[in-house]
Amino acid sequence: DIVMTQSPDSLAVSLGERATFNCKSSQSVLYSSNNKNYLAWYQQKPGQPPKLLISWASTRESGVPDRFSGSGSGTDFTLTISSLQAEDVAVYYCHQYYFPPFTFGPGTNVDIK
Amino acid sequence: EVQLVESGGGLVQPGGSLRLSCAASGFTFSTSAMNWVRQAPGKGLEWVSAISRSGGDTNYIDSVKGRFTISRDNSKNRLYLQMNSLRAEDSAIYYCAGRRPVDYWGQGTLVTVSS
Repeated sequence: DIVMTQSPDSLAVSLGERATFNCKSSQSVLYSSNNKNYLAWYQQKPGQPPKLLISWASTRESGVPDRFSGSGSGTDFTLTISSLQAEDVAVYYCHQYYFPPFTFGPGTNVDIK
Repeated sequence: EVQLVESGGGLVQPGGSLRLSCAASGFTFSTSAMNWVRQAPGKGLEWVSAISRSGGDTNYIDSVKGRFTISRDNSKNRLYLQMNSLRAEDSAIYYCAGRRPVDYWGQGTLVTVSS
């Protein structure tokens, strides 16, 4: 199974500041035939289902603010919020959909400092 | 508008069974891979099972293999999860989740396994 790890477990950032958190997969999720990374980022707020923010490691979904960006390839990935807003307080999960079981990371809890 | 509406959750004793159902609308169900994802109270997300568009290919996490069965009825736009031999550690909110990567989510149905 592909094991996903995330760091840090939690993060407190001042409003307007940058938030960066990481995700690592135990094996590559880059499919060489199409050069795509099968890695997604989700945001989950309390009492709500998750929301897809980023797919293919760096493709922002329609309607997602451009302060969210994803980067990385192979086994190491990063989600960046360029200027943290109050509504960004949530848990962020990375998820590999390269090979079943399609595992999630344990999440990073983002809060306001 | 995309809608995924789960039903069938509830309280069940250890060793019991439940069948979850998910009614899909607002997208072409028959051309979408579907999943079940669960979340224990206060815990993270755990992908449970997936089924291909035709239903011919299914996958499960190890902890539910042999106990859970995912299926679909494309004529009714419905996804199912038959859960047998339930354990306390299966207690969670179960989300019906569409496509790959998952971009459609239901609101979830709560399964509680307890005596």
